[in-house]
Amino acid sequence: AQSVSQHNHHVILSEAASLELGCNYSYGGTVNLFWYVQYPGQHLQLLLKYFSGDPLVKGIKGFEAEFIKSKFSFNLRKPSVQWSDTAEYFCAVMSGGYQKVTFGTGTKLQVIP
Amino acid sequence: NAGVTQNPKFQVLKTGQSMTLQCAQDMNHNSMYWYRQDPGMGLRLIYYSASEGTTDKGEVPNGYNVSRLNKREFSLRLESAAPSQTSVYFCASTQGEETQYFGPGTRLLVL
Repeated sequence: AQSVSQHNHHVILSEAASLELGCNYSYGGTVNLFWYVQYPGQHLQLLLKYFSGDPLVKGIKGFEAEFIKSKFSFNLRKPSVQWSDTAEYFCAVMSGGYQKVTFGTGTKLQVIP
Repeated sequence: NAGVTQNPKFQVLKTGQSMTLQCAQDMNHNSMYWYRQDPGMGLRLIYYSASEGTTDKGEVPNGYNVSRLNKREFSLRLESAAPSQTSVYFCASTQGEETQYFGPGTRLLVL
């Protein structure tokens, strides 16, 4: 069975600091990888996704993520966070050819002005 | 194009009561999902439907049933609610192996 680990449960940063959130998955086959964001009181929205090709993917609002197959990782990065990035971030894995999606437990990001 | 809609938005139940959570999507997606979101546990898949007429259990199906009424609608039923089912429930849909689109959620409190 596939699983997803997000090691940082709660991250607090000052505005303009750089962000990296870890995501590791366990599944030996082809995967599609996603990062979703949930702003306070709202539903999940897609930040970015990786299906194939360039392992460095860019998403909305200046976020990017790098797929490292050898490490089973898909870490989320942003060079300079803003207060409006305060939200909960979820990594998700969809195994190739099978539409079941597994989510990580989420990382709450708090950005202090 | 409303995307994914859910009803109701909020509900309070007493232990043992039953209710059905409604979900509909207007994107002609084949696959639909029900998740529950609990603090510190992320989203856990309850049931999913890969296509009209099929449903499958996810990680936490106990205490729930689902119906894929047609391509648009996927309902989640609690036959006898328990306090452990207090949660936020999200419905999602997707086409193939693409992005999931989520509904606004239903906040359920079981007393």
